[in-house]
Amino acid sequence: DAKTTQPTSMDCAEGRAANLPCNHSTISGNEYVYWYRQIHSQGPQYIIHGLKNNETNEMASLIITEDRKSSTLILPHATLRDTAVYYCIVRVRAGSARQLTFGSGTQLTVLP
Amino acid sequence: GAVVSQHPSRVICKSGTSVKIECRSLDFQATTMFWYRQFPKQSLMLMATSNEGSKATYEQGVEKDKFLINHASLTLSTLTVTSAHPEDSSFYICSAPASVSDTQYFGPGTRLTVL
Repeated sequence: DAKTTQPTSMDCAEGRAANLPCNHSTISGNEYVYWYRQIHSQGPQYIIHGLKNNETNEMASLIITEDRKSSTLILPHATLRDTAVYYCIVRVRAGSARQLTFGSGTQLTVLP
Repeated sequence: GAVVSQHPSRVICKSGTSVKIECRSLDFQATTMFWYRQFPKQSLMLMATSNEGSKATYEQGVEKDKFLINHASLTLSTLTVTSAHPEDSSFYICSAPASVSDTQYFGPGTRLTVL
């Protein structure tokens, strides 16, 4: 799985957009970008994933650069409940029978 | 989305006792499930891969005789911590891959405290 680099922590004001970056310069052509988050003392929660096109769902948007070497997760209107550790994971299809490897992630703190 | 449950959510036990943790996929079948362990302020670390109908595979450094895994059906995997000691106190989380949605879903976790 390609290595990812994320900032250790970020703050965001409640109601504003939270933009979480992830660098994955060694990504392979068949590797997807997955985002999960973990709220304190809970299991990780799937957010979104994509291969090369930008993706949007009810939780967030995923913007992948054209060269696929980096991506940004966007929470359009952050709330206090979005405070969590956000993990960017790059790998082949996660629905296959291989584990996910978690890095250190980004601690997002949404401030009132 | 798909749901994975764990039971119990938290357990406190005495040193030397065994504790069983259940992981269920509620609305999809999973021939494979993963067990992770997370210590305070650390990331998730894979302990073992549970395979329905066959033996589990363990990561390096994880004692298979201490952490017994049974994948009895396509929706249930259990992790038994045998002869638990205080250093086994941790947050245990399971996950299951769902091929239809091309991702993995995680249980809510089990907080184990060994006194």
